[in-house]
Amino acid sequence: DQQVKQNSPSLSVQEGRISILNCDYTNSMFDYFLWYKKYPAEGPTFLISISSIKDKNEDGRFTVFLNKSAKHLSLHIVPSQPGDSAVYFCAASSPGNQFYFGTGTSLTVIP
Amino acid sequence: KAGVTQTPRYLIKTRGQQVTLSCSPISGHRSVSWYQQTPGQGLQFLFEYFSETQRNKGNFPGRFSGRQFSNSRSEMNVSTLELGDSALYLCASTVLGGARNEQFFGPGTRLTVL
Repeated sequence: DQQVKQNSPSLSVQEGRISILNCDYTNSMFDYFLWYKKYPAEGPTFLISISSIKDKNEDGRFTVFLNKSAKHLSLHIVPSQPGDSAVYFCAASSPGNQFYFGTGTSLTVIP
Repeated sequence: KAGVTQTPRYLIKTRGQQVTLSCSPISGHRSVSWYQQTPGQGLQFLFEYFSETQRNKGNFPGRFSGRQFSNSRSEMNVSTLELGDSALYLCASTVLGGARNEQFFGPGTRLTVL
């Protein structure tokens, strides 16, 4: 049973525009969320995290928004760059437990 | 500081065989987690080891097992391979483990079962 879902397998965005990647979760006990980026033939690399006590966290071009009532988080990339083209995974956890990952969204930024 | 290393990078086996994958965490990291990545399934958690003890286990059959050595290096073993075990196997290390720390991933081992 997929507790973390990324319903868009792929997304294409023009360079310079905003990329919005979405993630939904079902477990109300999740209180810590992360986004990872993965290039082909490499392992995922950590991008940004957010705990449930916040609704927004920003790091440079990357911002994660958390809507606890909707059990939804999103990653905004502004402005998008061709080097951002990769697969993005969201992950969630509850205290004392492992991370649950989504199925990933493949982002293509078109120059 | 060297990153997480996994060996081998690619492996081809046949059904019924067994396989052992190795993971060396970042120096000083005591926790190692293993994940299976397949198309459409994302990363599925297999297990986490901390200080040579299995701390968490995912929902995989007993054919999947692992262990951790005193130097924090970890191995995972899959016995009686099935076609569906074809996947990218990723390991990740953290300093203390638990789901509150950023995980550093290795490049993965691509296992193909024929």
